[in-house]
Amino acid sequence: SQQGEEDPQALSIQEGENATMNCSYKTSINNLQWYRQNSGRGLVHLILIRSNEREKHSGRLRVTLDTSKKSSSLLITASRAADTASYFCATDDSGNTPLVFGKGTRLSVIA
Amino acid sequence: DGGITQSPKYLFRKEGQNVTLSCEQNLNHDAMYWYRQDPGQGLRLIYYSQIVNDFQKGDIAEGYSVSREKKESFPLTVTSAQKNPTAFYLCASSIGRNSGNTIYFGEGSWLTVV
Repeated sequence: SQQGEEDPQALSIQEGENATMNCSYKTSINNLQWYRQNSGRGLVHLILIRSNEREKHSGRLRVTLDTSKKSSSLLITASRAADTASYFCATDDSGNTPLVFGKGTRLSVIA
Repeated sequence: DGGITQSPKYLFRKEGQNVTLSCEQNLNHDAMYWYRQDPGQGLRLIYYSQIVNDFQKGDIAEGYSVSREKKESFPLTVTSAQKNPTAFYLCASSIGRNSGNTIYFGEGSWLTVV
């Protein structure tokens, strides 16, 4: 199965800074989703962006999608210590198949 | 509260044993999934089910089995054929299998071979 690949693998920033994570994928998609996982817990859905959308906002989150480059980015503005978690992108392959998750970016926000 | 309940949270398996992880949802979702997560890694799909009495293999189904006798339940059995079962197992569900649907996850089960 095709898989989104997040970059960087790990990111450490100070509280109040912005955090940017990237996701690249291989084949055409219908949708791309971002999820968050606190250590040892289940994943929680953050935001979905459709292939015909270029940008979406949700609170302090901003997601962009560039289908020509097959990439997406997740920006967390004014980060907080509570944002410390792993962040995953999930993609389909434009068919009716289950989402495929990347390996994630581990974000550490230092107070 | 609506959600997905996985049990047990921690499970230890001896060599040669089969163990079953429970997953129950009260969200009235048709689709259910099992993922495996190794430390510091992403999620890999084991099995998924779109409807009662039907399920399909994911990317790493060897050594695992599932059943879907009820809409709300999707137990995963880790058989003795799975040679490296130590991992974090996540059950999930969605309204349907369409990729535009949000996937809801349980809190996970840790399986360790002793």
